[in-house]
Amino acid sequence: NAGVTQTPKFQVLKTGQSMTLQCAQDMNHEYMSWYRQDPGMGLRLIHYSVGAGITDQGEVPNGYNVSRSTTEDFPLRLLSAAPSQTSVYFCASRRPGQRSYNSPLHFGNGTRLTVT
Amino acid sequence: KQEVTQIPAALSVPEGENLVLNCSFTDSAIYNLQWFRQDPGKGLTSLLLIQSSQREQTSGRLNASLDKSSGRSTLYIAASQPGDSATYLCAVSRDTGGFKTIFGAGTRLFVKA
Repeated sequence: NAGVTQTPKFQVLKTGQSMTLQCAQDMNHEYMSWYRQDPGMGLRLIHYSVGAGITDQGEVPNGYNVSRSTTEDFPLRLLSAAPSQTSVYFCASRRPGQRSYNSPLHFGNGTRLTVT
Repeated sequence: KQEVTQIPAALSVPEGENLVLNCSFTDSAIYNLQWFRQDPGKGLTSLLLIQSSQREQTSGRLNASLDKSSGRSTLYIAASQPGDSATYLCAVSRDTGGFKTIFGAGTRLFVKA
């Protein structure tokens, strides 16, 4: 059981380039989300999805796009990379159900992104 | 706006010591609080989840308590081991779907052999 898989593990971009961070889960979780982790700031929510075809913004959505065409995949797109987007990005998922908010988040191992 | 604070930012203890990590939050209207462990270069692993109606949860040498009214939680680690060295983060879910889980910055723990 792979859990939550993120690719790539590392990426270096130049300012203005675009790219897609991949996230896939094999646990049939309806809820998926993207966080960024910066030193001393904890994790901040970028976007989240409660099921295929449904997405919404988190705390820091500017500069990022998401889509959810399948239950398994939730890619994060950087449209025009900026140095301020240098960070570690984590994808997380949670099992479905009426009381899903009381089930733990499952995290991938992260993508370390550097924008020069 | 919900804010989650963890103090201290870093902690170093000798092996075998019992220790307490602290987490505070500004808005008591939460559905649950979670404690996570993060090893260097890795993702977060959920350790304990305390629902808003609960006072504490235990797993092995770990015990987490929750006092919603005062906006505080503690993670107690008994008989610490070098393998416990990691960053510990707390997070609160503040709406029904738990969609917007808010994280603290974490406490980096080092257990000396």
